[in-house]
Amino acid sequence: QKEVEQNSGPLSVPEGAIASLNCTYSDRGSQSFFWYRQYSGKSPELIMSIYSNGDKEDGRFTAQLNKASQYVSLLIRDSQPSDSATYLCAVNTGNQFYFGTGTSLTVIP
Amino acid sequence: DTAVSQTPKYLVTQMGNDKSIKCEQNLGHDTMYWYKQDSKKFLKIMFSYNNKELIINETVPNRFSPKSPDKAHLNLHINSLELGDSAVYFCASSHWTDNSPLHFGNGTRLTVT
Repeated sequence: QKEVEQNSGPLSVPEGAIASLNCTYSDRGSQSFFWYRQYSGKSPELIMSIYSNGDKEDGRFTAQLNKASQYVSLLIRDSQPSDSATYLCAVNTGNQFYFGTGTSLTVIP
Repeated sequence: DTAVSQTPKYLVTQMGNDKSIKCEQNLGHDTMYWYKQDSKKFLKIMFSYNNKELIINETVPNRFSPKSPDKAHLNLHINSLELGDSAVYFCASSHWTDNSPLHFGNGTRLTVT
């Protein structure tokens, strides 16, 4: 099992703040990276994908990738209570998807 | 609706029984997967399968066997169920390219008593 590590949390932020989620991976050959959100009792849903170094923004979400440091992060701006969920980092290596252990985020109203 | 669908949603059974979980996708994907999610939310890949190749995670007991009648279906058969098999099992699919994300089914919560 390829290693994907996430800050385990739980992470609590006040409503309107920026939530920062981090992920590192062990395989330098990994080519694509994804962030999934999973609400309790539900299946993971894709919120961001990133393939090249730098930042990628989609609404309130920004994914950042640094392949040299083997690091990928997710920033959630203007956090809302509806953002409270577990966030899973996924790394695609050789058409196999490996997941981190997830970071539980709670946004406090 | 286009989706990955799996059945049943809940499965409660006794130790030693054999059970199957079915999965179907109508997204036109060529690769399907089974994942196991434990109580700590860790998603562990069990199998991936496309129309040419089955890749088995070597840590998966051989009591678990995937069966694919066609590229839109990947079922999971489990023999001699054990207490430790209790988990949520997710089916997923994607295109066989590095940039294609996974699309998940709604999960099957398996409870072995």
